[in-house]
Amino acid sequence: DQQVKQNSPSLSVQEGRISILNCDYTNSMFDYFLWYKKYPAEGPTFLISISSIKDKNEDGRFTVFLNKSAKHLSLHIVPSQPGDSAVYFCAAAGGTYKYIFGTGTRLKVLA
Amino acid sequence: GAGVSQTPSNKVTEKGKYVELRCDPISGHTALYWYRQSLGQGPEFLIYFQGTGAADDSGLPNDRFFAVRPEGSVSTLKIQRTERGDSAVYLCASSSMTQETQYFGPGTRLLVL
Repeated sequence: DQQVKQNSPSLSVQEGRISILNCDYTNSMFDYFLWYKKYPAEGPTFLISISSIKDKNEDGRFTVFLNKSAKHLSLHIVPSQPGDSAVYFCAAAGGTYKYIFGTGTRLKVLA
Repeated sequence: GAGVSQTPSNKVTEKGKYVELRCDPISGHTALYWYRQSLGQGPEFLIYFQGTGAADDSGLPNDRFFAVRPEGSVSTLKIQRTERGDSAVYLCASSSMTQETQYFGPGTRLLVL
């Protein structure tokens, strides 16, 4: 059973607009969440994380929102740039080092 | 500074052969992790090292898989009697301490024919 779900396999956004990537989880013991970006033939690159004691974390153009009651988190990228085109993975951990990953969302930013 | 490095970047082998995949973590990182990513999936945890010892190998799929980290730095993932289903990208990650953010290497793409 998939504990971390990314239900949108792909997303296309116009350059300069907002990209919103979504992630749902089922395990209420998860207390740490991360987003990774992955380019073809490269490993996942850490983007941003959030602890369950917060509901928002910002880093430049990237903001992660956490809604614990809905077991939902999202990544906002504003403004989107063509270099943001990649596969984005959501990951969660519950007081351990075992990251549970979603299946990824492929973002394409159109110039 | 240098990130996590993995060699080889690609490995093609025949069913039944033995392979070794190497991971060089970020200097000073004590925790090291191996994950496996199959096509269309996210990475899945295999094994975790704290220092030289395998603290958790619960993700290893069967006893054909084994990993070592003899000096607490470089790690080698070993797969015996490879099967076609072992084909995947094997990712290594490291963190400064356990439960700190994990930083991934570029992966080794293993293809078993």
